[in-house]
Amino acid sequence: NAGVTQTPKFRILKIGQSMTLQCTQDMNHNYMYWYRQDPGMGLKLIYYSVGAGITDKGEVPNGYNVSRSTTEDFPLRLELAAPSQTSVYFCASSSLAGEQYFGPGTRLTVT
Amino acid sequence: KNEVEQSPQNLTAQEGEFITINCSYSVGISALHWLQQHPGGGIVSLFMLSSGKKKHGRLIATINIQEKHSSLHITASHPRDSAVYICAVRSSGNTPLVFGKGTRLSVIA
Repeated sequence: NAGVTQTPKFRILKIGQSMTLQCTQDMNHNYMYWYRQDPGMGLKLIYYSVGAGITDKGEVPNGYNVSRSTTEDFPLRLELAAPSQTSVYFCASSSLAGEQYFGPGTRLTVT
Repeated sequence: KNEVEQSPQNLTAQEGEFITINCSYSVGISALHWLQQHPGGGIVSLFMLSSGKKKHGRLIATINIQEKHSSLHITASHPRDSAVYICAVRSSGNTPLVFGKGTRLSVIA
């Protein structure tokens, strides 16, 4: 099993550009999450989903959008990138109240 | 909202030492997770526990629900244990995890 996969691994964006971070899991998990990790800080939840068609905001949703059209995929969209969005982004999935499985992360720099 | 505090923030140990990392939280929980993040980024789940103690190899995790406290112990530490160890808690059933800032461990040969 591939587990949770994320693309791309690295990306440099100019201020104002847009991009989509892709996340796919093959474990048939209903729950999927997007986190950002800034240096010296804990993981912060951006958005999460409890199943296809259902998404909810986390702690730091501003500047991001998500969709969940299938169980497997949970893309994160950045519109109008800003330097404050420079971070490492992790996607994760889990069964109800179960262990979370993390993707390898995407390192994003906005300049 | 649950507040999760970890101590110490940084820890350096000699190979072979017994290591303890602590985690405290402010509100009752349904489960506590310990995660490991190696340099270069990947995050792996080590333990999920709601009571008592769990052991995997040289790693032991304990939780005291009444004191709202958990410890992660590493016996006979090795340089390959060098990583950031992250504590996270879930307040109830399907609420999202709340994470501590992590403890950076370096084990020197």
